[in-house]
Amino acid sequence: KNQVEQSPQSLIILEGKNCTLQCNYTVSPFSNLRWYKQDTGRGPVSLTIMTFSENTKSNGRYTATLDADTKQSSLHITASQLSDSASYICVVVTGGGNKLTFGTGTQLKVEL
Amino acid sequence: DTGVSQNPRHKITKRGQNVTFRCDPISEHNRLYWYRQTLGQGPEFLTYFQNEAQLEKSRLLSDRFSAERPKGSFSTLEIQRTEQGDSAMYLCASSLGPGLDTEAFFGQGTRLTVV
Repeated sequence: KNQVEQSPQSLIILEGKNCTLQCNYTVSPFSNLRWYKQDTGRGPVSLTIMTFSENTKSNGRYTATLDADTKQSSLHITASQLSDSASYICVVVTGGGNKLTFGTGTQLKVEL
Repeated sequence: DTGVSQNPRHKITKRGQNVTFRCDPISEHNRLYWYRQTLGQGPEFLTYFQNEAQLEKSRLLSDRFSAERPKGSFSTLEIQRTEQGDSAMYLCASSLGPGLDTEAFFGQGTRLTVV
């Protein structure tokens, strides 16, 4: 069983619309949680990093939330663009920053 | 280009052959990670180095896999006697130290196809 689970598995939205991606994790001990964007055939690119004490962090049109008590995180994308089409991967970092445990990702497609 | 560089980008090999991949991390990054990613899945941890020391290896890293980072700079990942199940994207990442919020930067990956 994956220790980092994401939903939905895939999502199609119209350009300009907002969407929210979910991440639930069980892996511990928790150091920080990250959201990555991965374009097809390329390496992941970091969007946000949140430590235990942070509840919300924004990066442009991306806003991540973290509830360390319920072990849930979300990534909200505002005013989506075609270039947002990618896989969005939730990553939980453990062991003092030594190991990254990846979720399977949410495949987002933004259409006209 | 000052990012993480991986070579080759693509490799097609026959089953049973050996392959070697190279990763050049961002200069002065002392942490280097190898991950494997199969289609539709998130990356899975293989191993990581702190400078030249290999500090952790995943159970996924069978005895056919070996990784080195001889001078604490670039790293190589070798797969001996490749099998079709080794077909995947192999990702390298580097970071500056083990700080709690230290960002890891990924390379473009090497896509291996074993035929």
